[in-house]
Amino acid sequence: GEDVEQSLFLSVREGDSSVINCTYTDSSSTYLYWYKQEPGAGLQLLTYIFSNMDMKQDQRLTVLLNKKDKHLSLRIADTQTGDSAIYFCAESNFGNEKLTFGTGTRLTIIP
Amino acid sequence: NAGVTQTPKFQVLKTGQSMTLQCAQDMNHNSMYWYRQDPGMGLRLIYYSASEGTTDKGEVPNGYNVSRLNKREFSLRLESAAPSQTSVYFCASSARTGSYEQYFGPGTRLTVT
Repeated sequence: GEDVEQSLFLSVREGDSSVINCTYTDSSSTYLYWYKQEPGAGLQLLTYIFSNMDMKQDQRLTVLLNKKDKHLSLRIADTQTGDSAIYFCAESNFGNEKLTFGTGTRLTIIP
Repeated sequence: NAGVTQTPKFQVLKTGQSMTLQCAQDMNHNSMYWYRQDPGMGLRLIYYSASEGTTDKGEVPNGYNVSRLNKREFSLRLESAAPSQTSVYFCASSARTGSYEQYFGPGTRLTVT
């Protein structure tokens, strides 16, 4: 079945850029998503990218997709303390509305 | 517009007790989902419902039942709770069109002793 993998932890200094990586196995993935989970809260959709795109930018967030290597990344520019959270990568494929989630990457901001 | 709401926020059960987790959405979405979240395991799908009156098993359905009461509401029932069901439970909904993104509720933290 489909598999989505992420590293568990990332620490970044305040003001630097954070890059969170994700790899997936399903070559028929259609949409790839990034969700943010703050402590004690549900998952909040940050952004998503369609599989025929290489890049999507939304304010401080940049998503890069390398479809050949099945690699997705989320770059957060000028990382702030409010960016501390767990970030989940997820994928779906056409006609299948079920999402497959990664294990999440806990982003810690160092003052 | 509250989005996806879940009740209760917290619950402690003894082994063998039963309970129902409630979920409602006000976005007129067709599809609804129940997930559980455990440390280091991401989110795992328990059950989902593509439309009113239909439900299907996900990755980890054993020990759970669901009811899609109407388009807005999707409940998850634990008939005989076990310590292995200690987890955080999330409900989500999606429109089944476009980019299929799912919107999540705030979660229910369940402890079974």
